[in-house]
Amino acid sequence: SAVISQKPSRDICQRGTSLTIQCQVDSQVTMMFWYRQQPGQSLTLIATANQGSEATYESGFVIDKFPISRPNLTFSTLTVSNMSPEDSSIYLCSVRGAHREDDEQFFGPGTRLTVL
Amino acid sequence: SQQGEEDPQALSIQEGENATMNCSYKTSINNLQWYRQNSGRGLVHLILIRSNEREKHSGRLRVTLDTSKKSSSLLITASRAADTASYFCATGRRIGNEKLTFGTGTRLTIIP
Repeated sequence: SAVISQKPSRDICQRGTSLTIQCQVDSQVTMMFWYRQQPGQSLTLIATANQGSEATYESGFVIDKFPISRPNLTFSTLTVSNMSPEDSSIYLCSVRGAHREDDEQFFGPGTRLTVL
Repeated sequence: SQQGEEDPQALSIQEGENATMNCSYKTSINNLQWYRQNSGRGLVHLILIRSNEREKHSGRLRVTLDTSKKSSSLLITASRAADTASYFCATGRRIGNEKLTFGTGTRLTIIP
């Protein structure tokens, strides 16, 4: 399986600021995703990061709030903009394999964000 | 709404006993995946079962899938304290987008 790293692992931020989370994979993958997990909740998909084009956002998530980049097949960033305490969550990067028929999806260690 | 719902929401058992968690879903799927999450960390992939499979094993894990009932179960045999974690099921659909949709999760506590 792919080895996925995320930076930072955690951060405490002031409201109104922005934080960019990086996701690095040790091999090329076809698909990369960003998820949010609010305290005590399950995972919710924010968007699919598309290589070389705009991300595909799920209902309730917009590019102005969560801009995403994916410049190549191994790296993506998620920015949480103009943060409020409601953005306090774990943000997880997830990938699907190097071949389109690989259905197994793997997750990074997550970034725990606290907004004061 | 959640594609998957899991029950029980929380389960406590004695070390050495078997733990069974169930997942139900609403629409047709291509595959179903089970994950473990320790204390708010990242998710560890446990096992994937495809819609044309009925049962899979991996070590102490046994997963079943009943597509007619739209349900799956995860059995952990001979539980250990280290199995204490939250367990999530996630369904994947080939049709349309390829996103995984997660269940609500089961919090498993193994009592030493």
